[in-house]
Amino acid sequence: NAGVTQTPKFQVLKTGQSMTLQCAQDMNHEYMSWYRQDPGMGLRLIHYSVGAGITDQGEVPNGYNVSRSTTEDFPLRLLSAAPSQTSVYFCASKILWEGDTGELFFGEGSRLTVL
Amino acid sequence: SQQGEEDPQALSIQEGENATMNCSYKTSINNLQWYRQNSGRGLVHLILIRSNEREKHSGRLRVTLDTSKKSSSLLITASRAADTASYFCATDGTASKLTFGTGTRLQVTL
Repeated sequence: NAGVTQTPKFQVLKTGQSMTLQCAQDMNHEYMSWYRQDPGMGLRLIHYSVGAGITDQGEVPNGYNVSRSTTEDFPLRLLSAAPSQTSVYFCASKILWEGDTGELFFGEGSRLTVL
Repeated sequence: SQQGEEDPQALSIQEGENATMNCSYKTSINNLQWYRQNSGRGLVHLILIRSNEREKHSGRLRVTLDTSKKSSSLLITASRAADTASYFCATDGTASKLTFGTGTRLQVTL
């Protein structure tokens, strides 16, 4: 199993550009989420999904869109990048229903710089 | 806003010593988890303790939970250089959202 795979690992954008961070998991997890990690701030939840076709906002959703068309994929879209979105982004997934141990499985992160 | 806050922010010890880090949180929880993050990597789950448990062990890890004080501690015994990492507590107050603290950076020197 590859686990949670994020692409790209590094990206530099100019202010106003758009891009999509990709996240895929091969563990058949119902729950998927996106966090951003900033120095001194810990991890903050951006958006999450409890299954295909179902998404909801987290703590810091502004400036980001998500969709969940399949169980495996949960892309994060930045429609018009801003310097404040410079951060390291983590995708994480877990079992949600039967067998839920609470454990989140994380990808290796995507480091985004917005100039 | 952050649910959890770790203390200390940074900790430096020598190999073989014990490392203790603390987590305080604000609202009622179902469970509390601890994660580890090596530099430049994703987080890895270490241990989960439920709200009706007071102490849990896993290898060299010991976790305590005091729901009356809304606090938890993580003890790593006989630390090794390979334990150098950041450690985060995370609380699950609602079914789908896991909220992380700000982390403790642990440095274990030879």
